Amino acid sequence: GAVVSQHPSRVICKSGTSVKIECRSLDFQATTMFWYRQFPKQSLMLMATSNEGSKATYEQGVEKDKFLINHASLTLSTLTVTSAHPEDSSFYICSARPWDRANSPLHFGNGTRLTVT
Amino acid sequence: GIQVEQSPPDLILQEGANSTLRCNFSDSVNNLQWFHQNPWGQLINLFYIPSGTKQNGRLSATTVATERYSLLYISSSQTTDSGVYFCAVVVGTYKYIFGTGTRLKVLA
Repeated sequence: GAVVSQHPSRVICKSGTSVKIECRSLDFQATTMFWYRQFPKQSLMLMATSNEGSKATYEQGVEKDKFLINHASLTLSTLTVTSAHPEDSSFYICSARPWDRANSPLHFGNGTRLTVT
Repeated sequence: GIQVEQSPPDLILQEGANSTLRCNFSDSVNNLQWFHQNPWGQLINLFYIPSGTKQNGRLSATTVATERYSLLYISSSQTTDSGVYFCAVVVGTYKYIFGTGTRLKVLA
């Protein structure tokens, strides 16, 4: 149980376009989901915390208008990279935990590899 | 903010060898998790271990929270163990801070 599905797994887009990445909790509900970014050969950095029904909380240095986060339901959060540029090319990973299980670890999606040309 | 350092950064082993990976953190944490990231980027959960010792097959982990470190032991390593190992500490309300990672390569 506790499966997190992320889609797409890989996307290539042209500079200036927008890309939407979906993160779904398949067998549990999550009031909070988390978005991470990983550059090649580096660690994962938390970008933002997605809160169901309210605004996301962004980490310092992450542009809110660049990375739009929507958490419209208890099973879906989306990250939209707006006006993408080559420097936005990265590996994006979401995570979530069941809202009703105290001390449950986070479960991670398989990631989305974004390439901006 | 809290710093999470892992050592060694890189490790090459011959198949069958044992190894110990270390995770040091600079402040008190609510929990700690070990992951293996495979070549496709997938994070595999290994242990969720705020303190004490846990074992799962050839892997075991020990966290000494009072001394702010955790160890991951890999015994009888196999080529499929290759990849990057991350520890992540949990602060606040499920905020994960990832360590710097250990890149492991196991040679046949």
